[in-house]
Amino acid sequence: GDSVTQMEGPVTLSEEAFLTINCTYTATGYPSLFWYVQYPGEGLQLLLKATKADDKGSNKGFEATYRKETTSFHLEKGSVQVSDSAVYFCALSESNYQLIWGAGTKLIIKP
Amino acid sequence: EAGVAQSPRYKIIEKRQSVAFWCNPISGHATLYWYQQILGQGPKLLIQFQNNGVVDDSQLPKDRFSAERLKGVDSTLKIQPAKLEDSAVYLCASSLDRGRELFFGEGSRLTVL
Repeated sequence: GDSVTQMEGPVTLSEEAFLTINCTYTATGYPSLFWYVQYPGEGLQLLLKATKADDKGSNKGFEATYRKETTSFHLEKGSVQVSDSAVYFCALSESNYQLIWGAGTKLIIKP
Repeated sequence: EAGVAQSPRYKIIEKRQSVAFWCNPISGHATLYWYQQILGQGPKLLIQFQNNGVVDDSQLPKDRFSAERLKGVDSTLKIQPAKLEDSAVYLCASSLDRGRELFFGEGSRLTVL
């Protein structure tokens, strides 16, 4: 069945460092791909999405490109801030609209 | 616009006791979801409603879990009797319709002792 694999955390970086959180997927069809973020004490919220191959989703300085050839959707940010500390979830959705989630990656940014 | 409201935020019970969680989705959202999120894992869909009908409850442990959305608005999720492995955060989400963006509540954290 469909699945999402993301890099294990926690990922600890210094402020202004470059961030990459890896996400790869397996799917039978052509899924939509998502990154959700969960800030401490808050609910999950959609960060960005891409619905077809080579699409780039972007929001709040974060980017991710839908790579069909490598079945990947890695999250990147050029310069992280302390306020980016959160848990990041990669997810996919096929035609049935059900979300399949990765296990989450905790990001810790130190000043 | 008000977000998805859930209560209680925290609940501690002993095994074999019962518990109920409540969710009020964003006004006008037809689709409502209950997820279980165990520490260190991604959310697992328990049940999905479209208005007041069940679309998917294939992963709901029906011997102990039940959920309803009687008037197609708010919803309750009940666990009876609870087991230790039910300790998790129970997330409610809603969307305007199937396939649209999900909006999540803050979750209800359950600890079963």
